[in-house]
Amino acid sequence: KNEVEQSPQNLTAQEGEFITINCSYSVGISALHWLQQHPGGGIVSLFMLSSGKKKHGRLIATINIQEKHSSLHITASHPRDSAVYICAVPRGNQFYFGTGTSLTVIP
Amino acid sequence: EPEVTQTPSHQVTQMGQEVILRCVPISNHLYFYWYRQILGQKVEFLVSFYNNEISEKSEIFDDQFSVERPDGSNFTLKIRSTKLEDSAMYFCASSATGQGLGYGYTFGSGTRLTVV
Repeated sequence: KNEVEQSPQNLTAQEGEFITINCSYSVGISALHWLQQHPGGGIVSLFMLSSGKKKHGRLIATINIQEKHSSLHITASHPRDSAVYICAVPRGNQFYFGTGTSLTVIP
Repeated sequence: EPEVTQTPSHQVTQMGQEVILRCVPISNHLYFYWYRQILGQKVEFLVSFYNNEISEKSEIFDDQFSVERPDGSNFTLKIRSTKLEDSAMYFCASSATGQGLGYGYTFGSGTRLTVV
């Protein structure tokens, strides 16, 4: 049973395209994280959000707590955005992670 | 910006050998975590640590694993007798709070363990 589901698993986009990655979860939470995993493996936290929308540069994250759904959008995508994007929800002292969305942006 | 530092970045070990993965959490953080990611799979929780003891662990974290905070700065994960299936990327993380809300939750860049 996956507490966190992401879609799509893989995504290829042309540079400049608007990208949406979706995350659905089955557990009750008060916040959700979006993480970025670089090709070398390191993980960076992009957003923590508990309601509404957050924006950081070309990245926008939205969450609907009632529907248990969150989206990560990338506007004007660039090849340097190529990475795996992971949705994670906290439960107690740990996180449940989605399987990740592998994004490739082609110049 | 404060970082969680992990060493080494890559370790190769013979099956059956003991390995120690090292982490230096952010200095004012109180909660420490280890996660692992087998190649091609999702990140999995191993253990959380607070006040010098394990606060939560997953079923993956069996008797082969142990964690320690030997001094005021390091947080280590020991695997006593490595198996091939222990090959994975191991991530350390630390946070200021233990509620999982993620305030100040920071991951290290990982140690890639290869068991041969």
